Amino acid sequence: EVQLLESGGGLVQPGGSLRLSCAASKFTFSDYAMSWVRQIPGKGLEWVSTISASGGSTYYAASVKGRFTISRDNSKNTLYLQMNSLRADDTAVYHCAKNLRLGELDNWGQGTLVTVSS
Amino acid sequence: DIQMTQSPSSLSASVRGRVTITCRASQSISTYLNWYQQKPGKAPKLLIYAASSLQSGVPSRFSGSGSGTDFTLTISSLQPEDFATYYCQQCYSTPPTFGGGTKVEI
Repeated sequence: EVQLLESGGGLVQPGGSLRLSCAASKFTFSDYAMSWVRQIPGKGLEWVSTISASGGSTYYAASVKGRFTISRDNSKNTLYLQMNSLRADDTAVYHCAKNLRLGELDNWGQGTLVTVSS
Repeated sequence: DIQMTQSPSSLSASVRGRVTITCRASQSISTYLNWYQQKPGKAPKLLIYAASSLQSGVPSRFSGSGSGTDFTLTISSLQPEDFATYYCQQCYSTPPTFGGGTKVEI
């Protein structure tokens, strides 16, 4: 069974930085695009970023472009999200998810909570 | 960006009842439409992809239909474990966008 385990969340001050990690197992990580999706507690889902299987292509939501960087290390089966210049409205649970061919997200991690507050 | 509008935002239903949730896209998305189920404190789970294809392991009481701008998720006989929030998502264009969710309650 596919496993995705996020880590790196926590409390950070506005303007601060945080790096999230997503450790993947039980599938061939390097074959799949991967995404980050966030969810404000009690609210809906918002796509944040996607990276291609090779890492050569990346895509971002307008709300995070220029502040967040998605990357991956296929030798370590790990996905990353570097978050800089954090704002209060970035507060959310961040899920990593595995992409299928048409863009559907067939496996999700439980998420890691990021709280941006002074 | 393509806007996805779900209705209703919440509904009450009975076990063994039939539930229908609709999702409308702000422009045509062909059949690039997925449905997810999320239970409190859990990660979303893919139910339906490409508008009507059932994800492996998902019970056959779940079905999806539609194309273009109008889509439907139907649960034919609601089971206790189906009480959850359901989201649609378009993957026709970037950014992929989600509907606001439909909470199915007893």
